[in-house]
Amino acid sequence: DAGVIQSPRHEVTEMGQEVTLRCKPISGHNSLFWYRQTMMRGLELLIYFNNNVPIDDSGMPEDRFSAKMPNASFSTLKIQPSEPRDSAVYFCASGSRGFGTTNEKLFFGSGTQLSVL
Amino acid sequence: KNEVEQSPQNLTAQEGEFITINCSYSVGISALHWLQQHPGGGIVSLFMLSSGKKKHGRLIATINIQEKHSSLHITASHPRDSAVYICAVRSRSQGNLIFGKGTKLSVKP
Repeated sequence: DAGVIQSPRHEVTEMGQEVTLRCKPISGHNSLFWYRQTMMRGLELLIYFNNNVPIDDSGMPEDRFSAKMPNASFSTLKIQPSEPRDSAVYFCASGSRGFGTTNEKLFFGSGTQLSVL
Repeated sequence: KNEVEQSPQNLTAQEGEFITINCSYSVGISALHWLQQHPGGGIVSLFMLSSGKKKHGRLIATINIQEKHSSLHITASHPRDSAVYICAVRSRSQGNLIFGKGTKLSVKP
């Protein structure tokens, strides 16, 4: 398996533009997480899905952020409109079957480095 | 106060030294993860603990549920161990992961 695949690896955009980040989880995993990492705040959970259903989106900073998981193999995180303070590395992670039990394992994508100018 | 606290924030060691990184948390948890983030940014899951101790190569992770504390030990440290080590707990009530700020480890040859 290729692991968790995120795209793009880098995104540079201007303030006000829409940004869409994409994630393909590992096949067979039933949990998917979106995280954001900044120097100031470290890693923060934005939203997580279980069996394609959003379970907790309390970490989504504002209405400008939205996430979807239309099927088990694809998720998007959208920011509209983007602002400079959204600049961060955005990670997607998937959890193996058994997530939430003692067998859980987490696998991270390589992240998307977002810069909003 | 952060729900997950790590110490130290930064750690510099000489090659071969025994290293300990600590994680304390204040919420009820169902699991605790230790993650490693390399300078290139990639994150790797090292351990998931719900009790006791786990060992993988030179890495040992322990957890004391009563004291709400976990430690990550590295024996015979090597420069390639240089990375940020992040503790993350799964909240029992909410089910999400809460992260510590990480410990930046530099191992000098």
